[in-house]
Amino acid sequence: GAVVSQHPSRVICKSGTSVKIECRSLDFQATTMFWYRQFPKQSLMLMATSNEGSKATYEQGVEKDKFLINHASLTLSTLTVTSAHPEDSSFYICSARDFRLGTTWGDIQYFGAGTRLSVL
Amino acid sequence: QKEVEQDPGPLSVPEGAIVSLNCTYSNSAFQYFMWYRQYSRKGPELLMYTYSSGNKEDGRFTAQVDKSSKYISLFIRDSQPSDSATYLCAMKRTQGGSEKLVFGKGTKLTVNP
Repeated sequence: GAVVSQHPSRVICKSGTSVKIECRSLDFQATTMFWYRQFPKQSLMLMATSNEGSKATYEQGVEKDKFLINHASLTLSTLTVTSAHPEDSSFYICSARDFRLGTTWGDIQYFGAGTRLSVL
Repeated sequence: QKEVEQDPGPLSVPEGAIVSLNCTYSNSAFQYFMWYRQYSRKGPELLMYTYSSGNKEDGRFTAQVDKSSKYISLFIRDSQPSDSATYLCAMKRTQGGSEKLVFGKGTKLTVNP
């Protein structure tokens, strides 16, 4: 399967600081990437869809100014948590859409390893 | 009613057992069905990807889809301790011209040696 790299894997920061998380597709080009958030014992919740060269599409209830997404190239999307607070502590996971399998089966999302953010 | 329902478990079985994991869904718009495996503190890893009703087999894993009942299953044969993980079902639908994955909560599986 395709490889998606997410960095860093763990971040501990003080309240009020900003944190940037990177998501890279290593062996394929991803015009679309996704950012999810996962709370303990909960499912993955889609935060936003990131399209290369255009603005991200945010899910209802997700603050655009709080979670800044940039998808400047076909292999890199970044999520910046601005002015982080303890309630932003969570596990953030990105995925990249791989279209290479063709239209018969539709596309597949491959996931990064996730970033655990702890805001003190 | 949630779009996708999955029993969170936990499920504990002895090594070698056959494991059955299930999800139900309420939205007929779902067209593609996936099973992901997630180890602790890691991202989900795609295991199976199916479209039509019926069975799909890959090694020790069999995915089953019953669209008439809105029910999907994942069977693991000859389970191994290394299969211990959380298994997430996921379903894809189109919304507002874009595709969206909806995940179940995940079932935590422990295979005991």
